[in-house]
Amino acid sequence: SAVISQKPSRDICQRGTSLTIQCQVDSQVTMMFWYRQQPGQSLTLIATANQGSEATYESGFVIDKFPISRPNLTFSTLTVSNMSPEDSSIYLCSVCYSLSGEQYFGPGTRLTVT
Amino acid sequence: KQEVTQIPAALSVPEGENLVLNCSFTDSAIYNLQWFRQDPGKGLTSLLLIQSSQREQTSGRLNASLDKSSGRSTLYIAASQPGDSATYLCAVSGEGSNYKLTFGKGTLLTVNP
Repeated sequence: SAVISQKPSRDICQRGTSLTIQCQVDSQVTMMFWYRQQPGQSLTLIATANQGSEATYESGFVIDKFPISRPNLTFSTLTVSNMSPEDSSIYLCSVCYSLSGEQYFGPGTRLTVT
Repeated sequence: KQEVTQIPAALSVPEGENLVLNCSFTDSAIYNLQWFRQDPGKGLTSLLLIQSSQREQTSGRLNASLDKSSGRSTLYIAASQPGDSATYLCAVSGEGSNYKLTFGKGTLLTVNP
């Protein structure tokens, strides 16, 4: 298994500002993902964070709104840009070991936009 | 497009009862299926992973089965305890999807002492 940490654990932000969420893993992993969980909903994949190249975004998510960096195999950031109240969600990073395909999730970042 | 459905949406049982949570998916071309537990306001804890070639996996009081051809999985919890109270999520990874997960909406389980 993996030990995954996220910072911050929660934040309250004003409309129009941006927040960068960090995800740190205790070992090198090939696959890292960012998910969003809106209130009362299940998880939706935002993008796959690719090491050394641009992230791969899912339908409905764009780089200008959710820029992602992945400078190495243990770290990634997700920025939520120009926030609106609709961005209030829990944001989770996950990692996957390709040998088994099992995914492990970080504790999440609870974002509230006022 | 893969869709994952979980039934029931909520379940309340007395302590000690055995129970079954259901998960169905529309596209049987999956790589694996994973069951997670989520406590309120927390991240996800992986419970069981079933590869597409497997029929079931067991961990302690938990047993998960997979019928890939019919697009169904069940999570069986034996001798439930109040500490089992949480939301249980089912997720599938499609073949060739690079391990991306599609989640169901979850079953909220409450075990009453």
